[in-house]
Amino acid sequence: QVQLQQRGARPVKSSETLSLTCGVYGGSSSSFYLNWIRQPPGKGLEWIGEVSPAGSTDYNPSLRSRVTISRDTSKNVFSLKLMSVTAADTAVYYCSTRVTASGGFDPWGQGTPVTVSS
Amino acid sequence: DIQMTQSPYSLSASVGDRVTLTCRASQTIRNNLSWYQQKPGKVPRLLISGASSLQSGVPSRFSGSGSGTDFTLIISGLQPEDFATYYCQQSDTSPFTFGPGSKVDIK
Repeated sequence: QVQLQQRGARPVKSSETLSLTCGVYGGSSSSFYLNWIRQPPGKGLEWIGEVSPAGSTDYNPSLRSRVTISRDTSKNVFSLKLMSVTAADTAVYYCSTRVTASGGFDPWGQGTPVTVSS
Repeated sequence: DIQMTQSPYSLSASVGDRVTLTCRASQTIRNNLSWYQQKPGKVPRLLISGASSLQSGVPSRFSGSGSGTDFTLIISGLQPEDFATYYCQQSDTSPFTFGPGSKVDIK
């Protein structure tokens, strides 16, 4: 059973770059679509983007100019970088996987709360 | 982007009730629709994918149906642990989008 592990909460200052990492356990990261999803406080879920098993990336157009998702198959981890953050980027950030191109997100990491301060 | 809408936004129900939640896509998504359950402060849990395929370990009182643009999640016999917010999500076309959620709380 694949499990995902994220690091703990971290503060980020406005205009800086948010960096998060997700470890993949119980499976090979190169076998899955590796995703990042976020949820602002009290709000719904927003898909950020993914890296495919082939290594290609796909991003939400609303964030594309600021986001990079990458993977390190040798370490079985994948990462999110979001540049030039503002208070609107304050959210719980989840990593997740998909097995197929049209499948649902499962499993999910435990989430990392990110607060952007000025 | 494909817009996902859900109804009702919120509903109050009793243990044992049959609950029907609906999800509509702004254009056809075939059967590329998933349902998630999220309890306060917890991680979303995938219940159903492919519109009607129950994930392993999910109780059989949950069922999903639909294709194209209109989808339904039914909880047959609501249990205390089912009080939560339910999200639908399309994985047909990028960017993958979620509905706003339907909150089920105790009457």
